[in-house]
Amino acid sequence: KQEVTQIPAALSVPEGENLVLNCSFTDSAIYNLQWFRQDPGKGLTSLLLIQSSQREQTSGRLNASLDKSSGRSTLYIAASQPGDSATYLCAVITSGSRLTFGEGTQLTVNP
Amino acid sequence: DTAVSQTPKYLVTQMGNDKSIKCEQNLGHDTMYWYKQDSKKFLKIMFSYNNKELIINETVPNRFSPKSPDKAHLNLHINSLELGDSAVYFCASSQTFQETQYFGPGTRLLVL
Repeated sequence: KQEVTQIPAALSVPEGENLVLNCSFTDSAIYNLQWFRQDPGKGLTSLLLIQSSQREQTSGRLNASLDKSSGRSTLYIAASQPGDSATYLCAVITSGSRLTFGEGTQLTVNP
Repeated sequence: DTAVSQTPKYLVTQMGNDKSIKCEQNLGHDTMYWYKQDSKKFLKIMFSYNNKELIINETVPNRFSPKSPDKAHLNLHINSLELGDSAVYFCASSQTFQETQYFGPGTRLLVL
């Protein structure tokens, strides 16, 4: 059974800092990995999707990497802003179309 | 334009009642999903449909019955609501299960 773990559970940083969020998964037989953002009381917004054959994806100040063999992914946020404050969720898709989520990292960027 | 929409946004009801949540996507996707987010914010898949056919049915009480009248709609009907059903229910869609999933805004269900 796939298990997804995210570390840290919460993170508070001053504005402008670069930061890294970590995600690990137990079954490396994944089709892809997605990073989502969830704002309080809102739905999820997809940030980046990395196919299993890819090593990284970039979108603006976000960069996600994937090391399938070791079961790890990182989300790098450059020059963090208060508007980046949200919960960041990592999810992997395995056989049978199952999207398994981690418990999320709650990020607070302080002005 | 709203890509994935859900109604209602909030639902407060008594134990034992039957309720439905509706989901519609205008993205032309073939695959739709229902997720449950509990009080600890953990998201878990409940059902997945592809072109109106059930693909995933996780260990969910049979009081929960999804219905897909067409590939743009996936509704969730819940019978005999229990206190433990209180959660946020999210609908999502994707073109295929290997592609990006787009989520609706969620339906906040509170069972009293």
